[in-house]
Amino acid sequence: DQQVKQNSPSLSVQEGRISILNCDYTNSMFDYFLWYKKYPAEGPTFLISISSIKDKNEDGRFTVFLNKSAKHLSLHIVPSQPGDSAVYFCAATQGGSEKLVFGKGTKLTVNP
Amino acid sequence: NAGVTQTPKFQVLKTGQSMTLQCAQDMNHEYMSWYRQDPGMGLRLIHYSVGAGITDQGEVPNGYNVSRSTTEDFPLRLLSAAPSQTSVYFCASSQSGVGNQPQHFGDGTRLSIL
Repeated sequence: DQQVKQNSPSLSVQEGRISILNCDYTNSMFDYFLWYKKYPAEGPTFLISISSIKDKNEDGRFTVFLNKSAKHLSLHIVPSQPGDSAVYFCAATQGGSEKLVFGKGTKLTVNP
Repeated sequence: NAGVTQTPKFQVLKTGQSMTLQCAQDMNHEYMSWYRQDPGMGLRLIHYSVGAGITDQGEVPNGYNVSRSTTEDFPLRLLSAAPSQTSVYFCASSQSGVGNQPQHFGDGTRLSIL
């Protein structure tokens, strides 16, 4: 059973608008969440993370929101740029587990 | 600064052959891991290591062996390759586990089993 779900395989937005990528999880023990970005033929690169003690974390154009009661997190990119076009993976782990669980990814396309 | 280096980048094997995928990091990271990425499946953890001499199984360990004799290297061995092991393999490392810090990934090895 998938513990981390990204239900939208793809998302297309216009340059300058907001991109919102969603992620749901089923394991209530998860306490640390990360977003990775992946370009074709490259490895994933870390984008932003959030601990379960927070509900929001910002880094420049990227903001992650965590709703623990709904077991839902989202990544907001404002403003979106063509260079943001990539596959975005949501990942989660629980303290002491040493295992990271990934979602299937959402392919974001930002159109000029 | 090389980061995480994976070799080879591409490999084609025949069913039943064995092979070792190499992974090396130069950041003195204690934690290293191997993932496979299949179309539409995201990344799935194969094996991981929290330090030299210590390894453990991930989500999909069957058909793979690992060892960690040094901090820098974490090779992944396919004992008898099967078509189901056709995938892109990623190695990753972090200073100390995944609990509160991101991992650094290599660029992957694309493996095809015929």
